[in-house]
Amino acid sequence: QKEVEQDPGPLSVPEGAIVSLNCTYSNSAFQYFMWYRQYSRKGPELLMYTYSSGNKEDGRFTAQVDKSSKYISLFIRDSQPSDSATYLCAMTRGGGNNRLAFGKGNQVVVIP
Amino acid sequence: DTGVSQDPRHKITKRGQNVTFRCDPISEHNRLYWYRQTLGQGPEFLTYFQNEAQLEKSRLLSDRFSAERPKGSFSTLEIQRTEQGDSAMYLCASSPGQGSYEQYFGPGTRLTVT
Repeated sequence: QKEVEQDPGPLSVPEGAIVSLNCTYSNSAFQYFMWYRQYSRKGPELLMYTYSSGNKEDGRFTAQVDKSSKYISLFIRDSQPSDSATYLCAMTRGGGNNRLAFGKGNQVVVIP
Repeated sequence: DTGVSQDPRHKITKRGQNVTFRCDPISEHNRLYWYRQTLGQGPEFLTYFQNEAQLEKSRLLSDRFSAERPKGSFSTLEIQRTEQGDSAMYLCASSPGQGSYEQYFGPGTRLTVT
């Protein structure tokens, strides 16, 4: 079983819709959770960074973490064509080596 | 631009040749990471530096791979005797450390081994 599972199936939504993405994980030691956006052939760009369980909102983006279920989510409100990208969840234990464990990524297409 | 930079952005090499990539992290970030990403996958951890010390290497990092961060600033990743399976995007990230664990990535170096 991979440490982080993210259903990589492409997601197409009309402009203005809410995009909902999620990941599950198996390692209960993970405490810090991130979402990255990656455009084709570019490096990942940090979107959201959260610690432990709870919600965090930043503009049109909301990240949720439920440590009891080992489940994290990202919501994008009022989606725009410029949101079309691959979204990667990542997480780390923190402490010494905070290497990131990533999901496979979700390709999102926002249709104008 | 004070983000993470990587050079070169693209590298095409023939099997058996050696290649070296460079990463310049965000200044004052004492942690530096190398990851590898293949098509349709998330990045996979390769190695990690805190200042100039290489503290961990993944099992993915075979003996043909070596990384350095000589003065705790920029880092290099060298692949010797490249193989076609080495074709991937090599990503560098830096992190402030000191209780902050978010990582900021560079644009990557895309390696193609022919």
